[in-house]
Amino acid sequence: EAQVTQNPRYLITVTGKKLTVTCSQNMNHEYMSWYRQDPGLGLRQIYYSMNVEVTDKGDVPEGYKVSRKEKRNFPLILESPSPNQTSLYFCASSFPNRDGNNSPLHFGNGTRLTVT
Amino acid sequence: QQQVKQSPQSLIVQKGGISIINCAYENTAFDYFPWYQQFPGKGPALLIAIRPDVSEKKEGRFTISFNKSAKQFSLHIMDSQPGDSATYFCAASRASGTYKYIFGTGTRLKVLA
Repeated sequence: EAQVTQNPRYLITVTGKKLTVTCSQNMNHEYMSWYRQDPGLGLRQIYYSMNVEVTDKGDVPEGYKVSRKEKRNFPLILESPSPNQTSLYFCASSFPNRDGNNSPLHFGNGTRLTVT
Repeated sequence: QQQVKQSPQSLIVQKGGISIINCAYENTAFDYFPWYQQFPGKGPALLIAIRPDVSEKKEGRFTISFNKSAKQFSLHIMDSQPGDSATYFCAASRASGTYKYIFGTGTRLKVLA
């Protein structure tokens, strides 16, 4: 089954304790991205990757890191989490848009992070 | 320039009624406008999308209306059903050359049985 898998689904941690949220896709998508979803703010892009070893900042990258060593994996790293990073996080992937044909974003089921 | 404004924030509709969600964008470079549907505990999933070369696109009970001059587009759900209760996000992007999506703030729809 084609899917984007995030782990863990729920995570409670304390301020300053490094954590990693994993994301894996089995659709051979070149593009992967991380979003955070907050009430009243919608989905905001954190980082994205257009291919292996190619990453770039989205709209809200502060406090986050990513890596893309393999095509299928795109982990999100919080080196020193703070309470304002408490949020619902989504990983997404797609093929690139070519010749005017848009490939839909495929989202994982989310990771709810609480930082105390 | 990069914002997509979505309204209303929440919507309650009786079963069989019409649900209407509106979005407005600023950047005229956008030329691809998808709608995503999100159920509780799940990630958003593509529902329907439109390009500005048409003013309307219909798929079953779901219709996107697009007004290029006003830079507005809307989602209409005809004969709304309790199973349509979800959060809906509009988005804007380019049809090619970028992977960037700008999402609206979301509309929580509840359809009463």
